[in-house]
Amino acid sequence: DSGVTQTPKHLITATGQRVTLRCSPRSGDLSVYWYQQSLDQGLQFLIQYYNGEERAKGNILERFSAQQFPDLHSELNLSSLELGDSALYFCASSVGREGEAFFGQGTRLTVV
Amino acid sequence: GDSVTQMEGPVTLSEEACLTINCTYTATGYPSLFWYVQYPGEGLQLLLKATKADDKGSNKGFEATYRKETTSFHLEKGSVQVSDSAVYFCALKGGYQKVTFGTGTKLQVIP
Repeated sequence: DSGVTQTPKHLITATGQRVTLRCSPRSGDLSVYWYQQSLDQGLQFLIQYYNGEERAKGNILERFSAQQFPDLHSELNLSSLELGDSALYFCASSVGREGEAFFGQGTRLTVV
Repeated sequence: GDSVTQMEGPVTLSEEACLTINCTYTATGYPSLFWYVQYPGEGLQLLLKATKADDKGSNKGFEATYRKETTSFHLEKGSVQVSDSAVYFCALKGGYQKVTFGTGTKLQVIP
């Protein structure tokens, strides 16, 4: 158990819908990262938050947004969903420069 | 920006063969370097790490040395097992603590 909790584990939804993925980082970790893993694209960095502020942005679509709350949990919002958004979405957390990122088990999103 | 390049897979080896998965990086400053492993159906787990030049990370028979002169962090194991079959990701943690991953290399070990 990495200490990073992601909910839900699985999500099936229709095209055009909106979903929210949730991540609770390890206790004490200030950085939260979101990644998308699909079969053809590998592991893609989406966005990073540090202590509530956006720190780095990767290949995140405009239809996607995220935030980190004062209690440090984070949510990733995906809207106007398309079939191509079907993927595993991972959250990770870390502390400090040298600390490794700890990954949650992921949320498997299926858009039908 | 930061980037990580690792060798394309899949890599197929017989049990007890030697493994090398190449990884090179581009980053400003002095990043920390990591190898993660993802077993089928699971999330990513840290395999080993190195935080400064010439450091050697090791775990479960795997090793990687932080080579600043060649900007490399190649993963090696002297004798692979079937249970090592997984996807291996090289990663760096650079400025602003952003973690950047390579595309992953799938390893399949056959008996």
